[in-house]
Amino acid sequence: DQQVKQNSPSLSVQEGRISILNCDYTNSMFDYFLWYKKYPAEGPTFLISISSIKDKNEDGRFTVFLNKSAKHLSLHIVPSQPGDSAVYFCAASALQGAQKLVFGQGTRLTINP
Amino acid sequence: SQTIHQWPATLVQPVGSPLSLECTVEGTSNPNLYWYRQAAGRGLQLLFYSVGIGQISSEVPQNLSASRPQDRQFILSSKKLLLSDSGFYLCVTQGNDYGYTFGSGTRLTVV
Repeated sequence: DQQVKQNSPSLSVQEGRISILNCDYTNSMFDYFLWYKKYPAEGPTFLISISSIKDKNEDGRFTVFLNKSAKHLSLHIVPSQPGDSAVYFCAASALQGAQKLVFGQGTRLTINP
Repeated sequence: SQTIHQWPATLVQPVGSPLSLECTVEGTSNPNLYWYRQAAGRGLQLLFYSVGIGQISSEVPQNLSASRPQDRQFILSSKKLLLSDSGFYLCVTQGNDYGYTFGSGTRLTVV
């Protein structure tokens, strides 16, 4: 049972354009969402998070949007840069209990020069 | 801020051999601790989590076990490794500020 889903395994974007990565979740108990960037053989790097009391959070070139009614969140990167090429993971957590992070399958983003 | 030490970075082990991966945390007390695995071409799967000393919860049935002998120490073990245990293992801690800190990971190859 995949509680967090990233339905696009890969995405290719031109340098300077906007990259939009999508994530869906099924568990209505999730109230904290995070995006991570990951390179092979390294731990994930935290990018940005959002709690369920907000619908948008922005940090530099990264913006996360949360649509609670649709159980959908997205990460926007603008403008996209070649250094953004990596695998991006969406993760969700419930702030009660063990607060386990549940990850999506990841989306490989490639930024073309 | 929290710091997490995970070792070794890489490990090549024969099938049937034992395994011990260790993770220690600094800069926080009574953290939640987690072991994740990323198999080739797949996402990050939660294996075990611990909310306190001696408290271990398993997420998926498998050939591995975990222990938390001290507040800031988390150990992943196996008595006999299988080929399917190969993957990238990550120790994660969650401190009092709801932030998650990741270890640098261990690349395990079972041959």
